[in-house]
Amino acid sequence: SAVISQKPSRDICQRGTSLTIQCQVDSQVTMMFWYRQQPGQSLTLIATANQGSEATYESGFVIDKFPISRPNLTFSTLTVSNMSPEDSSIYLCSVDTDPGTGELFFGEGSRLTVL
Amino acid sequence: GENVEQHPSTLSVQEGDSAVIKCTYSDSASNYFPWYKQELGKRPQLIIDIRSNVGEKKDQRIAVTLNKTAKHFSLHITETQPEDSAVYFCAASRRGSYIPTFGRGTSLIVHP
Repeated sequence: SAVISQKPSRDICQRGTSLTIQCQVDSQVTMMFWYRQQPGQSLTLIATANQGSEATYESGFVIDKFPISRPNLTFSTLTVSNMSPEDSSIYLCSVDTDPGTGELFFGEGSRLTVL
Repeated sequence: GENVEQHPSTLSVQEGDSAVIKCTYSDSASNYFPWYKQELGKRPQLIIDIRSNVGEKKDQRIAVTLNKTAKHFSLHITETQPEDSAVYFCAASRRGSYIPTFGRGTSLIVHP
């Protein structure tokens, strides 16, 4: 298992600004993932944060909009850039502590509201 | 890529009844099928999973079945309780990837 701390837990942001979400894990993990969960919707993978290399983005998500850092094996950040109301969502950090099993552990999420 | 369909989107039952949520997947190479429960305002948590080498798995009041030929799998909850009320997500991932594709979720409401 893993204990994942995310912050901020929630924030209200102005259109055009950027916000960085932090994710801290209590153990070293190879793979960290960032998901978006729009209101009443499913979990959509934004990108996989790779330590020591650039993140791998899913179709529909680009680095300029969602830059990701992964400075070490326990920490990652996701920035939501130049926000618009459509970016209002819950952003979830997730890890796969036992590669190959498939089980994901999620952070509590960061609920962003863009006005 | 993988596509996971989940039904129903909302399920309302009386306490003590059974609840069944069904999912289909498209990628025949998928071999891992987890189910996550997300209570209101909480993080998703794995409740049960099944791999393609078994057809059914049980854990107390919950069970999952898998039909690889038809490419569908289901979650069964018996003797439902109000604390079972949550959104349930099915997912599928394939050999070598283990990054799951999630269904759209089922909001289960158990009425006392």
